[in-house]
Amino acid sequence: EAGVAQSPRYKIIEKRQSVAFWCNPISGHATLYWYQQILGQGPKLLIQFQNNGVVDDSQLPKDRFSAERLKGVDSTLKIQPAKLEDSAVYLCASSPSGDTQYFGPGTRLTVL
Amino acid sequence: DAKTTQPPSMDCAEGRAANLPCNHSTISGNEYVYWYRQIHSQGPQYIIHGLKNNETNEMASLIITEDRKSSTLILPHATLRDTAVYYCIVRGQYNTDKLIFGTGTRLQVFP
Repeated sequence: EAGVAQSPRYKIIEKRQSVAFWCNPISGHATLYWYQQILGQGPKLLIQFQNNGVVDDSQLPKDRFSAERLKGVDSTLKIQPAKLEDSAVYLCASSPSGDTQYFGPGTRLTVL
Repeated sequence: DAKTTQPPSMDCAEGRAANLPCNHSTISGNEYVYWYRQIHSQGPQYIIHGLKNNETNEMASLIITEDRKSSTLILPHATLRDTAVYYCIVRGQYNTDKLIFGTGTRLQVFP
C-alpha cells in the first residue's frame, strides 16, 4: 500500500514570498491533516479535513495560511506571505476513520 | 498543551528491551493512550494504542497501569533502527479529537 506522498521535500524561499505544498493521502482515507513541526518541537495540528470539508482549523494562521482539499483527495497548503518564523517541516497525515494517522515524509521549508 | 510527561532522553543497548515511561495523571475514562515515533527526517509513525488493557503488536507492547495514570512502551529487542523520538499522546475517542504532541523521549540505541 502506497503511503502519504508530499512534495516538494525541501523548499527555500525569501520572506514575503509565497509557497505551496502538496499532499496525496493514502487511497480511501477520508480524513486529512496538516501539521507544522518547528525544530525541537513535536508536530502541531494546523488543519483537519473530513473529505473536502474543514473539521478544525483553529490553529491555522488564517491571515497568511490557507488550505484546500478539492474533491476530497489531494490537498494543498499555501503560505502567503511567508515570515521567518514559518521555517519548519510541514507534515501531511491521513486516516481512514479518524483514529490512527499515517504521516508523510514532510516538506522542510526554510524562509530566509 | 500535551497531557503527558516523558523523560527527555533514554539510552538502550542493542538487543535489550527498551522501556519508555509516560505519565498521564489527568487522563479521562474515555481517553486512549497512543504512541508514535519519529525517526530522523521522517514523519511520525504509529506504534500502538490502548484504553485500559495491555496491548501488543508486531512492533511493541503497551502496559497501562490499573489506575491508568501512567504507561510504559516496551520494545522487546531494540535495534539501531529504533533510535528515534517517541511520543506518548492522550487522545479522546472521537474523530475530531486531536493528537497533541509534546517533545517526546529521544531514545538512543547503541551497539
